[in-house]
Amino acid sequence: QVQLQESGPGLVSPSQTLSLTCNVSGGSISSGGYYWSWIRQHPGKGLEWIGYIYDSGNTYYNPSLKSRVTMSVDTSKNQFSLKLNSVTAADTAVYYCARGPGAYVYWGQGTLVTVSS
Amino acid sequence: DIQLTQSPSFLSASVGDRVTITCRASQGISSYLAWYQQKPGKAPQLLIYAASTLQSGVPSRFSGSGSGTEFTLTISSLQPEDFATYYCQQLNSYPSSFGGGTKVEIK
Repeated sequence: QVQLQESGPGLVSPSQTLSLTCNVSGGSISSGGYYWSWIRQHPGKGLEWIGYIYDSGNTYYNPSLKSRVTMSVDTSKNQFSLKLNSVTAADTAVYYCARGPGAYVYWGQGTLVTVSS
Repeated sequence: DIQLTQSPSFLSASVGDRVTITCRASQGISSYLAWYQQKPGKAPQLLIYAASTLQSGVPSRFSGSGSGTEFTLTISSLQPEDFATYYCQQLNSYPSSFGGGTKVEIK
């Protein structure tokens, strides 16, 4: 059974970089064919798709965040990461990692990141 | 980018009721639509993919239909554990996108 688990700081200062990692267990991240994705949810709001990284390192970012987002994959640690720079209070959200392509069967439990000084 | 509009955004219903939620896409997405259920503090859970295919383990009271730009999620007989927020997601093209959600509450 594939499991995903997000980790990272719960508090980030404005203008700094938000960094999160998603650890994958129960399967290899490099087994091929999967799109490792990030989705976020602002408090009390709907879901926003951030982007994905393929195990080859190819990426697709939501154009609304593209200028600030970087995703990477570390096959040796079986994890993938999200960096979002120049954060503001508007980036306060629960961040989820998930496995695609197609509909998301597997999700992490989500991690709340608050942007505040 | 493709926009998804869900309606209603909120509905109040009783146990046993038949409930229908609509998701409209701003352009045709064939059958590349999924439905999720989300409970407070939890990650979304996949209910239906490819517009009408029930995910393994999901009760048969959930069903999906539609193609192109209009889709529906139906719960045939609402159960206490179904009170939650429901989201649609389009997978026709990137960036993927979600509807605004429908919160189903107890009447």
